[in-house]
Parts: sequence; C-alpha cells; structure tokens
Amino acid sequence: ILNVEQSPQSLHVQEGDSTNFTCSFPSSNFYALHWYRWETAKSPEALFVMTLNGDEKKKGRISATLNTKEGYSYLYIKGSQPEDSATYLCAFPNAGNMLTFGGGTRLMVKP
Amino acid sequence: NAGVTQTPKFQVLKTGQSMTLQCAQDMNHEYMSWYRQDPGMGLRLIHYSVGAGITDQGEVPNGYNVSRSTTEDFPLRLLSAAPSQTSVYFCASRLTGVNTEAFFGQGTRLTVV
Repeated sequence: ILNVEQSPQSLHVQEGDSTNFTCSFPSSNFYALHWYRWETAKSPEALFVMTLNGDEKKKGRISATLNTKEGYSYLYIKGSQPEDSATYLCAFPNAGNMLTFGGGTRLMVKP
Repeated sequence: NAGVTQTPKFQVLKTGQSMTLQCAQDMNHEYMSWYRQDPGMGLRLIHYSVGAGITDQGEVPNGYNVSRSTTEDFPLRLLSAAPSQTSVYFCASRLTGVNTEAFFGQGTRLTVV
C-alpha cells in the first residue's frame, strides 16, 4: 500500500484569502500525480494530472506544483471564494496504474 | 454524455443480506475500480479491473466480489452485508496510462443495519 499523505486535514479561510495545501507521496518509482476536487454531494472531478518534475499547472485561480525528487506537490488557491469549498484529493498511481488516494484536505471558505 | 453510471444512489440493507452495486461506463475505458469512502479515511480501493475478464484485489477487498464480463460493466457484490460495510461507494473508470484522469460515478450511500 502506497503512502500518500495530505495536510492539513481541514482548513477554514475567509473569502479573498489565498491558501495552499500539500500532498506527499513516495519519491521512488514516480509515475504521475493527480489532483481532484470533490464537492459535497457530488463526485470527485479531476483538476490536474502532473507527470514532470518542476511541472506547474494552472486552472483559473487554482494552480499546482510538483517536486518528484522530494515527493511532494502543492495546490494553491488564490483569492478563495465560497464556491472553492470542497475536499481536495491527491492520488498516486502504482506500478499497476491503480490510484492510491490521500485522505484529502477539506477546505471551507467563509463569506 | 452518460460517462460513469452508478446505481443505486441510496440503499439500506439488513445484516446478512446480499446486493449488487451496478457500474457502467460508455467511454471504452480499460480500467475500472471500486472505492469506499469513510469519514477521515479518503478513498480506499476495494477491487479493480484492467480489462474484460481481469480483476484484482485492492486495499480492502474482504466481503466484496467483482466480475468484468464486458468492457462497459463492473458490478460490485456484497456477499453478506455487515455494519462495517456502511460507507459511500464510488465506481471510477480510466483509460490506460498513468497520466489519464479518473471519471467517477455519482456514488452509492449504503447503510447496513
């Protein structure tokens, strides 16, 4: 079982704050790193799939960076809005290409 | 676009009952998998399949069976439901390749009493 850890477990921020959270994964045998956004009462949806060390992806106010050598990825949200409230999951594929998910970071943005 | 269709959305079972959660995808994805989500534990892999006729166990397979007779369908069977199987279940599918995103079904909230 791969060890994929996310921190913090939960985060409360005010509207307009920028925030970031971390995903840690095994630095050996790296294949890819996935980020998903999971809103309450909905299904997880992919945000980014990152494959290269130093890779940086951006979608609107959300961006992610990747360091495969040290085994971490950061997800940043600039100017948080209430609609950003969700659980953010990272996932790491194993050699068989099955995804192991971290425990998630639950973000709550107060208006 | 249907994507991943998962049924039922809600289910209550009595201890010892059996049932099948249905999952179908219309995207011709090779990979299909079942996860359960429990509070504070993220998504844990139950069983997965890399193609029709091929299945394998994930992290928490006990008490569940799967089969993959077609590319489209990947049902999950609970053989004899236990209260510990109370959870939210998600089916997901992907194309081959580590950089392909997963598509999830709508989830099934199962309560075993």
